[in-house]
Amino acid sequence: GAGVSQTPSNKVTEKGKYVELRCDPISGHTALYWYRQSLGQGPEFLIYFQGTGAADDSGLPNDRFFAVRPEGSVSTLKIQRTERGDSAVYLCASSLGAGLYEQYFGPGTRLTVT
Amino acid sequence: AQKVTQAQTEISVVEKEDVTLDCVYETRDTTYYLFWYKQPPSGELVFLIRRNSFDEQNEISGRYSWNFQKSTSSFNFTITASQVVDSAVYFCALLGGANNLFFGTGTRLTVIP
Repeated sequence: GAGVSQTPSNKVTEKGKYVELRCDPISGHTALYWYRQSLGQGPEFLIYFQGTGAADDSGLPNDRFFAVRPEGSVSTLKIQRTERGDSAVYLCASSLGAGLYEQYFGPGTRLTVT
Repeated sequence: AQKVTQAQTEISVVEKEDVTLDCVYETRDTTYYLFWYKQPPSGELVFLIRRNSFDEQNEISGRYSWNFQKSTSSFNFTITASQVVDSAVYFCALLGGANNLFFGTGTRLTVIP
């Protein structure tokens, strides 16, 4: 079956602009996660959804970052007033449920803020 | 606090050699899970194994084996008879009371033909 998909695969934007990154989880997966991976680092947790609600958003670095999952499937990560430090690969993962279930990762969106 | 340490930043081996990737973790949770993921040059993270804190049995899957030692808080990963296709960045990760994975900084493995 289809895996986790993310669009766009690459996004270049100017400092101060607004961007949206999309994640399509595996069908039937109720849990969805966003991570951010900077060069040479491991992925860092941003936010986790169980169904439509954000169950844990403790990893969001500041209030410029926001994510939604209105119908419990597709999720959008939104970044306002982008800064050069936001440049990273944004990874989305989904799992059958929370906790011990394997998280399946998408290919990521590489965001570059110039 | 959760912490995962992968002290080996980069390792190079010649094809067919065995290689062990180290992972040391810290957690205050009594129940937790440990994972290994592979990130090939394509970038997509590939799940390799999950271990829960109550199961210290070592596991073997083909050329891969894992050694979980709670006494030393380590979860090491060995590749036997390495192949060029094993070249990738390998991440160890911890899942504790929260539902998110906490990753180490990764070990870049290069297998030289």
